[in-house]
Amino acid sequence: AQRVTQPEKLLSVFKGAPVELKCNYSYSGSPELFWYVQYSRQRLQLLLRHISRESIKGFTADLNKGETSFHLKKPFAQEEDSAMYYCALSAGSNYKLTFGKGTLLTVNP
Amino acid sequence: SAVISQKPSRDICQRGTSLTIQCQVDSQVTMMFWYRQQPGQSLTLIATANQGSEATYESGFVIDKFPISRPNLTFSTLTVSNMSPEDSSIYLCSVPLLPTSASGANVLTFGAGSRLTVL
Repeated sequence: AQRVTQPEKLLSVFKGAPVELKCNYSYSGSPELFWYVQYSRQRLQLLLRHISRESIKGFTADLNKGETSFHLKKPFAQEEDSAMYYCALSAGSNYKLTFGKGTLLTVNP
Repeated sequence: SAVISQKPSRDICQRGTSLTIQCQVDSQVTMMFWYRQQPGQSLTLIATANQGSEATYESGFVIDKFPISRPNLTFSTLTVSNMSPEDSSIYLCSVPLLPTSASGANVLTFGAGSRLTVL
């Protein structure tokens, strides 16, 4: 069975500082990895997925199969990045997602 | 992408009662998913609701506790039966964000959730 681990429940940084939200997974096959974000009083929404290899709102994430990681990074955090971030894994083409417990990011002014 | 409306947005219920949560989508979708998020926990898939057939439940979830209806391609309900305080959670409806033909289309969009508190 697959598992997604986000080791940090809380992460606090100052505006302009780099931020890295960690995500590790366990799955024997080739997973599809996602980052979802939930801003205050908003619904959960997709931030990015590994196959797109794109930067969204300055965030990037690289799938490292050797380390089974999919860490989310941004070089200069902004206050509006404060939100709950969830890493998720899909093990097949069936839309079933396994989520991590989430990391609450707070960007201080 | 599809827009999902869920109701109720929140409710407080008594132990032993049942509550039905509704999920309405503004476009036709083949698959709808119900997730649960218990306090401090991650989202867990309860079941996949398929139109015209029985829902497919994940391990640890049973139809008697979480009966699901899917009368058409835009609507589904999840009932939480015989509730106990352990059922206090946020229940979320989700549907595919992209058409099934899209490459890497394992992307979901979510409703705002229904926050259930059982006393």
